[in-house]
Amino acid sequence: QVQLVESGGGVVQPGRSLRLSCAASGFSFSSYGMHWVRQAPGKGLEWVAVIWYDGSTKYYVDSVKGRFTISRDNQKNTLYLQMNSLRAEDTAVYYCARDRKSIPAVGTDDVFDFWGQGTMVTVSS
Amino acid sequence: DIQMTQSPSTLSASVGDRVTITCRASQSISSWLAWYQQKPGKAPKLLIYKASSLQSGVPSRFSGSGSGTEFTLTISSLQPDDFATYYCQQHNSYSVTFGGGTKVEIK
Repeated sequence: QVQLVESGGGVVQPGRSLRLSCAASGFSFSSYGMHWVRQAPGKGLEWVAVIWYDGSTKYYVDSVKGRFTISRDNQKNTLYLQMNSLRAEDTAVYYCARDRKSIPAVGTDDVFDFWGQGTMVTVSS
Repeated sequence: DIQMTQSPSTLSASVGDRVTITCRASQSISSWLAWYQQKPGKAPKLLIYKASSLQSGVPSRFSGSGSGTEFTLTISSLQPDDFATYYCQQHNSYSVTFGGGTKVEIK
């Protein structure tokens, strides 16, 4: 069965960095685009970033452009989110999610059919 | 960015009720709309994509309709397991956006 397990969350001071990981199993990881989606405490969902199946294309929400970097290691079946220059407003549960579309289809569907359990990131001094 | 507005924000209903949630887009998104269900402390679960396509394994009491800027999620007969928060999401552009959510509570 499809499993996505996030790790790397924690408490960090404003301006510092953190790297999240998402270990995937139960499917052909290298065939799917992957996303990060976050949810601030008591708030709604916000899409953060997407990476295509081969890592060739990446997109970000405006609020994290230049600060966050999404990447993947298809040999290790792992998705990453490098978060730099963290701000209080980045405090949230971060979910990794699989895109519904797989190769040979081009691009991503931007619909999230499987999600991890989430990892909490708290940015506070 | 495309703004997504859900209504109502909270809905009180009883088991067996027919429930309808509305989602409006700030511009046309054709049929590129998905619906998710989220329970407290859990990850969201995909229910519907492309406005009306039922995700595999989702009960048939859930249905979606609409196109352009106005969409609905309908639960034909509310079950105890359906009390949760529901989110719409446009997947028309790479800057994906969600609605603010509709909490379905027990009446």
